Amino acid sequence: QSVLTQPPSVSGAPGQRITVSCSGSNSNIGAGYDVHWHQQVPGTAPKLLIYGNNNRPPGVSDRFSGSTSGTSASLAITALQADDEADYYCLSYDSSLSGWVFGGGTKLTVL
Amino acid sequence: EVQLVESGGGLVQPGESLRLSCAASGFTMSSYGMNWVRQAPGKGLEWVASISGSGGTTNYADSVKGRFIISRDSSKNTLFLQMSSLRADDSAVYYCAKDGYYYDSGGHKNYLHYWGQGTLVNVSS
Repeated sequence: QSVLTQPPSVSGAPGQRITVSCSGSNSNIGAGYDVHWHQQVPGTAPKLLIYGNNNRPPGVSDRFSGSTSGTSASLAITALQADDEADYYCLSYDSSLSGWVFGGGTKLTVL
Repeated sequence: EVQLVESGGGLVQPGESLRLSCAASGFTMSSYGMNWVRQAPGKGLEWVASISGSGGTTNYADSVKGRFIISRDSSKNTLFLQMSSLRADDSAVYYCAKDGYYYDSGGHKNYLHYWGQGTLVNVSS
């Protein structure tokens, strides 16, 4: 059971917009700790997608964006492409656990 | 270019020990916090341990506290994870990850930036 809660799966057709939610608590997202997002294509290492709630590293498409509100965060992907198919993980710091906490991951299927 | 290369994984029996290494290049490890994250087969990511840039601060997930030790050799730019009293539920791909830093209105903050390709640990009799 992950400290941050994500839906197990989401899907969308090419060109559509989807969102992935990440629900936390007052010891992590709600306490003001930033949320970061990582993308993992099965069989490969994770890759940073978003840091500091809504900052993209160089090379990451502006089709990816993040937001936070209260104890939750969201990742939005616009203009879905086939190679967006991957697992997406939210990450934040938890003051009660004194460490990083991941969401359980969300598998994105592009129909 | 930042590169992180893990090694040391393998098959061990329950109760045994294993030491993982993460060789870094393209940056000076003593200037950055470093982390170990694991992923059990078919499961999600789980943070395991972190060490500060100075090496003076370490933190562990409750699931490994007292059994695992994170350390580094700055002269070799290498990160380690000493694992003891291994259990079947420690079986996973172990990734090392380098911190990144940024500043905003809340001050100096960090995140997991670069990841290695991982090394597989299988604890089984």
